[in-house]
Amino acid sequence: ETGVTQSPTHLIKTRGQQVTLRCSSQSGHNTVSWYQQALGQGPQFIFQYYREEENGRGNFPPRFSGLQFPNYSSELNVNALELDDSALYLCAVGRPSGANVLTFGAGSRLTVL
Amino acid sequence: RKEVEQDPGPFNVPEGATVAFNCTYSNSASQSFFWYRQDCRKEPKLLMSVYSSGNEDGRFTAQLNRASQYISLLIRDSKLSDSATYLCVVNPGGAYNNNDMRFGAGTRLTVKP
Repeated sequence: ETGVTQSPTHLIKTRGQQVTLRCSSQSGHNTVSWYQQALGQGPQFIFQYYREEENGRGNFPPRFSGLQFPNYSSELNVNALELDDSALYLCAVGRPSGANVLTFGAGSRLTVL
Repeated sequence: RKEVEQDPGPFNVPEGATVAFNCTYSNSASQSFFWYRQDCRKEPKLLMSVYSSGNEDGRFTAQLNRASQYISLLIRDSKLSDSATYLCVVNPGGAYNNNDMRFGAGTRLTVKP
């Protein structure tokens, strides 16, 4: 519906493990942003990619990293998982007709035990 | 102080009621403003942009007061389907920069029959 697809939808990991979350979008969305939404909070900006390069980063440690590929898909990688990393991870793209409006995917819900 | 602060809620109102949500932001250089709606366990979706002159979309009216750094959302004639969390969003970047949007924690609305 939104043109933004995220996978997996749900996953459970244990502390110290690594996780890769994926996002794909229709062509024309040349920026992709990742947000973390903890329970009861608003989304917090992790980073943005533009033309396959990081284009801004929020207050997240280096163990949060990402990639954007030529086909506009993107990955979020989190190393050394901590319990506080449990959250909904949202991928968002800029709409071609309104660059500063975000369209979100349905998210990947990560639980760290 | 958080960059974007909203009424904590929750708001529980009967169908047909008028309800208003408030939001304040701390960065006076912020350029654009939005209200997003988030249904339970779903992704945020754009409800409306907020313009300095105020804008209306059906039963929804948004206002911006730059001098007071205050944003509001008014919902008239509430429907059961309006039940959701409403997120106030501030973009500190320029008109074509959707990097690092700042979200409030959201205000939960429940409309009851």
